[in-house]
Amino acid sequence: QAVLTQPSSLSASPGASASLTCTFPGGISVDTYRIYWYQQKSGSPPQYLLRYKSDSDKQQGSGVPSRFSGSKDASANVGILLISGLQSEDEADYYCMIWHGSTWVFGGGTKLTVL
Amino acid sequence: EVQLVESGGGLVQPGGSLRLSCAASGFIVNSNYMTWVRQAPGKGLEWISILYGGGSRYYADSVEGRFTISRDIVKNTLSLQMNSLRAEDTAIYYCAATEAYWGRGTLVTVSS
Repeated sequence: QAVLTQPSSLSASPGASASLTCTFPGGISVDTYRIYWYQQKSGSPPQYLLRYKSDSDKQQGSGVPSRFSGSKDASANVGILLISGLQSEDEADYYCMIWHGSTWVFGGGTKLTVL
Repeated sequence: EVQLVESGGGLVQPGGSLRLSCAASGFIVNSNYMTWVRQAPGKGLEWISILYGGGSRYYADSVEGRFTISRDIVKNTLSLQMNSLRAEDTAIYYCAATEAYWGRGTLVTVSS
């Protein structure tokens, strides 16, 4: 079973940019997958942010600001959620997800602190 | 607008059963895939089960043989029948319609 690795925590300052990574295990190429990103604020359900496979295959969630964007680093086999112009309201847990066969596989999540 | 509302959670003893429901509006339950995802207290998201529009269904190894996903087209609801519950099944259970639409969840606590 695929295991997606996310750093457990990340801190950044208001106005700065934050890159949240989702590392694929060896033997599974990040290029093959659409990566879905979710934001979960304390006490709330996950909210769909976007999906990204390539610049020609991507989708922004309804109402999600354009300062949230997806990318990949194929050389590192990593999916990336970039949040620019950080705001205090961006403080949340962020999860990546892929389809693996007919199942969903989630990363362990990254707690983003904006301070 | 798609809205999903879960219900049926509660406190149940180990070995007991519980049936969760997810009422959908703005989305036809057999038009596309729907899933159940759970989140144990203080933990991450865990995919549990999927039911495709065509009827195929799949389960995580952790619940295979104990949980059953189904739908009621008339009531436009998705359900999850949970049997032989264990303490480690304690979690908030979310239903989702495709990847984009999630309910607010219902809490299941398995404890004696």
